[in-house]
Amino acid sequence: GENVEQHPSTLSVQEGDSAVIKCTYSDSASNYFPWYKQELGKGPQLIIDIRSNVGEKKDQRIAVTLNKTAKHFSLHITETQPEDSAVYFCAAGNNDMRFGAGTRLTVKP
Amino acid sequence: DTAVSQTPKYLVTQMGNDKSIKCEQNLGHDTMYWYKQDSKKFLKIMFSYNNKELIINETVPNRFSPKSPDKAHLNLHINSLELGDSAVYFCASSQVIDSDTQYFGPGTRLTVL
Repeated sequence: GENVEQHPSTLSVQEGDSAVIKCTYSDSASNYFPWYKQELGKGPQLIIDIRSNVGEKKDQRIAVTLNKTAKHFSLHITETQPEDSAVYFCAAGNNDMRFGAGTRLTVKP
Repeated sequence: DTAVSQTPKYLVTQMGNDKSIKCEQNLGHDTMYWYKQDSKKFLKIMFSYNNKELIINETVPNRFSPKSPDKAHLNLHINSLELGDSAVYFCASSQVIDSDTQYFGPGTRLTVL
């Protein structure tokens, strides 16, 4: 089955800086790579996703890149704001999604 | 309107009791899931149902039994609760089971004393 590793587990940045979170996966059949944001006391919510036929996708301040050869994908957040502080999860899979262990991002004002 | 709802939001109970958590989605999705999130925030899939049929049943104790009366509902029943069952349980749904966005409920925090 799929195995997803996520790094770092915690990340602290200054407001306005960029944040990068990286994930690797093991199953070459995986074709869907979503990123979820979980705020305190809430369930995870999708913020961006990418499919295996695309190398990069951007939505305002967030972007995701995918390297299928190396089996890794990354989340990039630019111009971070305090409200970006949350736990971020990557996931990978096909018909059986697996989540990374999460990254707690703290954006300091 | 809430897309995926769970009740109760908090559940505190004694070891050995039996409890249920209810989940409903009004998105018209075919697939529903249950996840367990431990104190370290790790999200572990427990079950997934597609059109009321069990698709994924991870290695969870058989004290946990999901029940899907219809496509919009997936309830989780837990027998003989143990201390290690304390966690936040999330229900989620997706349109299809393959490579699709999952919509999560707000979670149920279960505390076993």
